[in-house]
Amino acid sequence: GAVVSQHPSRVICKSGTSVKIECRSLDFQATTMFWYRQFPKQSLMLMATSNEGSKATYEQGVEKDKFLINHASLTLSTLTVTSAHPEDSSFYICSARGAGGLNEQFFGPGTRLTVL
Amino acid sequence: RKEVEQDPGPFNVPEGATVAFNCTYSNSASQSFFWYRQDCRKEPKLLMSVYSSGNEDGRFTAQLNRASQYISLLIRDSKLSDSATYLCVVNFGSWGKLQFGAGTQVVVTP
Repeated sequence: GAVVSQHPSRVICKSGTSVKIECRSLDFQATTMFWYRQFPKQSLMLMATSNEGSKATYEQGVEKDKFLINHASLTLSTLTVTSAHPEDSSFYICSARGAGGLNEQFFGPGTRLTVL
Repeated sequence: RKEVEQDPGPFNVPEGATVAFNCTYSNSASQSFFWYRQDCRKEPKLLMSVYSSGNEDGRFTAQLNRASQYISLLIRDSKLSDSATYLCVVNFGSWGKLQFGAGTQVVVTP
């Protein structure tokens, strides 16, 4: 299957700082990338859908000014958590979907964010 | 009501035994269905798609019941390595948006 990487895998930061997470599709072009968040013992919650070259579509309840998404190329999308607070501590996972099929998404390994 | 509901478990299964569990979904317009596997603190990995006629992949069998809006997963001859959380996933949009259940934990014991 296709490979998606995320960087960093783990980040610890102070409250009020901003954190950028990168999601890359390594061996295919991802027309659409998705960003999810998962709290302990809960399901993955879709935060936003990102299409290359256009603005991201955010799910209800997700603040677009707090979670900035950029999908500038077909292989890279970034999520920036601005002015992070302890309640933003979570497991952030991206997935990428190529142009060929609507159904399969390939997931990155996730980024564990801890805000102190 | 949650869009996708699963019994969280855990299902404690002796090695070699069979375990089965269901997932219900609320959106009748749902188009595609999947089972993903998630190991502790890792990303989900696709286990299998679920087709209308039911399908098998080795020791894993998935069924879909559109009338009752549920899907099921059956694991035969359980291995210790099958211990994981199994996520029921539903695709209901044209953009390929996936709706995840919270997962069913399976623990296979020696």
